[in-house]
Amino acid sequence: DTEVTQTPKHLVMGMTNKKSLKCEQHMGHRAMYWYKQKAKKPPELMFVYSYEKLSINESVPSRFSPECPNSSLLNLHLHALQPEDSALYLCASSHSEGLTPYEQYFGPGTRLTVT
Amino acid sequence: GNSVTQMEGPVTLSEEAFLTINCTYTATGYPSLFWYVQYPGEGLQLLLKATKADDKGSNKGFEATYRKETTSFHLEKGSVQVSDSAVYFCAADQGAQKLVFGQGTRLTINP
Repeated sequence: DTEVTQTPKHLVMGMTNKKSLKCEQHMGHRAMYWYKQKAKKPPELMFVYSYEKLSINESVPSRFSPECPNSSLLNLHLHALQPEDSALYLCASSHSEGLTPYEQYFGPGTRLTVT
Repeated sequence: GNSVTQMEGPVTLSEEAFLTINCTYTATGYPSLFWYVQYPGEGLQLLLKATKADDKGSNKGFEATYRKETTSFHLEKGSVQVSDSAVYFCAADQGAQKLVFGQGTRLTINP
């Protein structure tokens, strides 16, 4: 099973709302990622968790708050977003560094619109 | 850090045509290389990979060979189908669990 699932598929939220994106994988991967993708652009890395610990934060604004409750789940908590945060948010997973191969497997994404 | 350059699109072909999408990389050392495909409204799917020089990755009729001497990883398919219409991303492993992506090439196949 090489599936990464994400919920919800679509999300519309106002700038004062709080919402969460969820990601799940059952491939035994110990690294999980959040990416942001704008239209016609490649994905941009936001966060990396390795063994449930945050290992990379690509200077993401604090209105995005990641959480990794266990090795299979990854959340992204959203608060006080701006319209320019509207994008496709992709979750991915892989084996951790040092274990090969560690290609990343992506979920289908959550299409977020901030109004 | 590493970087990846892809041929600019969009690319439009007729069904059964031969496809090449160029990808070159700059890197210290020999990174693993990947092609990902993104169909409309979906996430990225790993299409194929190569982890060392002269490796050939292949999947669904697509092929790419890791060429150390030309630092390239061009994607090819002998006969494209309408269902191959998508955006294709070349990517290189940058180490520290990071991928560096090319800008993407939008491919449209006409019947």
